[in-house]
Parts: sequence; structure tokens; C-alpha cells
Amino acid sequence: RKEVEQDPGPFNVPEGATVAFNCTYSNSASQSFFWYRQDCRKEPKLLMSVYSSGNEDGRFTAQLNRASQYISLLIRDSKLSDSATYLCVVNYGGATNKLIFGTGTLLAVQP
Amino acid sequence: EAQVTQNPRYLITVTGKKLTVTCSQNMNHEYMSWYRQDPGLGLRQIYYSMNVEVTDKGDVPEGYKVSRKEKRNFPLILESPSPNQTSLYFCASRKGGPEWTVNTEAFFGQGTRLTVV
Repeated sequence: RKEVEQDPGPFNVPEGATVAFNCTYSNSASQSFFWYRQDCRKEPKLLMSVYSSGNEDGRFTAQLNRASQYISLLIRDSKLSDSATYLCVVNYGGATNKLIFGTGTLLAVQP
Repeated sequence: EAQVTQNPRYLITVTGKKLTVTCSQNMNHEYMSWYRQDPGLGLRQIYYSMNVEVTDKGDVPEGYKVSRKEKRNFPLILESPSPNQTSLYFCASRKGGPEWTVNTEAFFGQGTRLTVV
């Protein structure tokens, strides 16, 4: 089983749609969680951290369910510019402070 | 501007010819790491460094070497490249030590697309 699993997609949605991505992780001791965005084989960039209480940043909402070891990202009112690969990232913390990356979910927003 | 700079961005080389990919960051970060990204496998950590002269293996270290003689630089060395090292490589840095928190952001270089023939 992969340490961080994501649906690879692609998710093809029309502009204005709401789309949700899910991610599961296997290590219950994981300490922190993130969503990174990666455009067309460019470098990943932090989209948002994911907090236990859930958090929102404009059209983006992230949720964490520690009991189910599950993270989600909701994008409302999709824009063409949201087309990218979204990487779920988990930090195991501890001595190595290691980040574990999911393989990413591809989103294509259609005009 | 805060950034991580990798060079070269693109490289085609032949099997067995030693090469070095450079990585430099200007944010005074303690923690630096190298990843490779392959289709269907995501980013996998090759080596990491928690500070100057402190390096350790990641998940896929075979065929690679690193050094950390200065805080800002973390070169990746392929002593004898092979075709299975054809990949997209990313260097990343983030705060470490007493400034580190579990939500510390990682900053990535623009990537190096390496082809070994």
C-alpha cells in the first residue's frame, strides 16, 4: 500500500464547477498535511496547509480527518487557471522531518 | 527574491559520464533535499541534509551522491549515470533547527530534466 494515495484523475470539469479531491495516508503518526500545486512538470508550490479544524483560502477548502486518515481539497467556482496537478503531502515529523508525496491528481478545467 | 536555483534545467548525457546538478538557495535554510519525479511514482526523496556536513539517504539513494559543504549549496552527483536515472529532478529547501515547525513550507527549484542515453 502506498504511504499517500490519491486518485490520479484526470478530473475534467467545466468552468464554474465545484470539484473535490481526496487523499488517504497510511501513517497514523503523521504530523502535518499540505496540498501542493504543480503546473505541467514545473516545480511544486505550496497551495495550503491542512489543519485539523479545516481551513479555507478563498475558493479552496481543505479538510483533515485524522480518525480515517483522510485529507480533502475542495475547489469552488473552478477557473481555467486552476488546471494543474494537485499533490497531497504528508509530513511524518520526527528526526528526519520527511515529506511524503502522493502521485498527484490532475485537474483540467474546460471553458 | 527568495528562491532555489538548479542548474542545468535540461541535460542529455551518455551512460557512464559523470555529472553534477547544482542547487543553491538564498533563504538561509538548514534543510535541503533532492527528489526525483517519475510518472506514476510521484516525488521520491533521494538524499537530504539537515545542515552543513550532515547528509543522509532518502528512499532512492542508489547511484547518487551529495555533499553539503556550505549552507546554501547542495549538489547532486551522478558518478556513472545509467538510463534508469532518466527523470525529472527537484531540489528543495526549508527551515530547520529551532525555526522549524510541522507546517514549515518547502521551496522547490525549477527542476532538471535529465536524459541518460
